[in-house]
Amino acid sequence: TQLLEQSPQFLSIQEGENLTVYCNSSSVFSSLQWYRQEPGEGPVLLVTVVTGGEVKKLKRLTFQFGDARKDSSLHITAAQPGDTGLYLCAGSGDSWGKLQFGAGTQVVVTP
Amino acid sequence: NAGVTQTPKFQVLKTGQSMTLQCAQDMNHNSMYWYRQDPGMGLRLIYYSASEGTTDKGEVPNGYNVSRLNKREFSLRLESAAPSQTSVYFCASRRGPTYNEQFFGPGTRLTVL
Repeated sequence: TQLLEQSPQFLSIQEGENLTVYCNSSSVFSSLQWYRQEPGEGPVLLVTVVTGGEVKKLKRLTFQFGDARKDSSLHITAAQPGDTGLYLCAGSGDSWGKLQFGAGTQVVVTP
Repeated sequence: NAGVTQTPKFQVLKTGQSMTLQCAQDMNHNSMYWYRQDPGMGLRLIYYSASEGTTDKGEVPNGYNVSRLNKREFSLRLESAAPSQTSVYFCASRRGPTYNEQFFGPGTRLTVL
């Protein structure tokens, strides 16, 4: 079983601050996805990274896939209260779409 | 489009009772998945169906059975519920092998007493 470890488990910051969430594994993944989940809802995909060293930007969110395709990070610049949620990384190692999820990072952004 | 729908939203069972969780998607997706989410453990795959007519075990299949009724519907059955199956259950679908994104339903919160 491939294990994905996320850190930190919980982040509480003020509006306007920056934050970084990490996702690490000892295994190689063919692709890695980041999801965001709000209370009472299912996860929603933010981004998929597939190439080692890849960097993707979505407005104030920057996603990076490690060169060896074992780790990833999510950086949020100038966080806003609307960024509050549970951020989950998920790795895929096969074509069946089976995902291995990290435990998640709960982010709280206060005004 | 409703996307992925799940019923019921909430359920309380007594130990030993059985029930079926229903999932349907209207996106004409080929693959469907069942996950459970427990505090501090992320989502874990129970069963999946790569295409209509096929099902396979995921990471935590014990105590569960599934049926891919047709392309739209994928149900999860608990034959004899146990307190360890208290969890939030999510169904998801994916278009096919070359598409990474999974679309999730709103979840079913199940409590087994």
